[in-house]
Amino acid sequence: DTGVSQDPRHKITKRGQNVTFRCDPISEHNRLYWYRQTLGQGPEFLTYFQNEAQLEKSRLLSDRFSAERPKGSFSTLEIQRTEQGDSAMYLCASSRHMDRGNEKLFFGSGTQLSVL
Amino acid sequence: DQQVKQNSPSLSVQEGRISILNCDYTNSMFDYFLWYKKYPAEGPTFLISISSIKDKNEDGRFTVFLNKSAKHLSLHIVPSQPGDSAVYFCAANLITNAGKSTFGDGTTLTVKP
Repeated sequence: DTGVSQDPRHKITKRGQNVTFRCDPISEHNRLYWYRQTLGQGPEFLTYFQNEAQLEKSRLLSDRFSAERPKGSFSTLEIQRTEQGDSAMYLCASSRHMDRGNEKLFFGSGTQLSVL
Repeated sequence: DQQVKQNSPSLSVQEGRISILNCDYTNSMFDYFLWYKKYPAEGPTFLISISSIKDKNEDGRFTVFLNKSAKHLSLHIVPSQPGDSAVYFCAANLITNAGKSTFGDGTTLTVKP
């Protein structure tokens, strides 16, 4: 088990282009999360899946953002018509759902997006 | 409105001494609190957690204290080691959506040899 992996590690794109990131979670985890982190701030929740169902999306997630998790395995996060404000570290995390609040997240190393 | 705050952006301590990292929260409905550690170019990794029904949890050199009345928690590292130098994030979970954590902005800990 190699943990959560994300691809690519870095992405540089021009404003207006579309980008797609991939996340492969820990295989036995049924929940998958996307977070965004900007410099000097903590991770901010974007969206999450339980198996293949997308259960919640943050108000931060504009309609230019879409995420999928086909067959409850890997996930993709697509950003259409990128803007400079989209520049951030995009973190994927997975977890085994717990009935109470002690659900700890296992994070990947993130994809650093730079929009020029 | 930031519900989880870490008011000290940085902390520097001498090797062997105690490191104390602080975190304040505003939402009394938070049920679980977690600390994550982050090294450069890596994602955060889970360190220790505490339930809202407890006031202390220990794991080796790491102890988390929770003061519910003050809405305050702290992470104590004793003794501090140079390898502990990292960014530490405090996070809080609601029982209704445990993995949707609310994070503070982090405290950068530097442990000097």
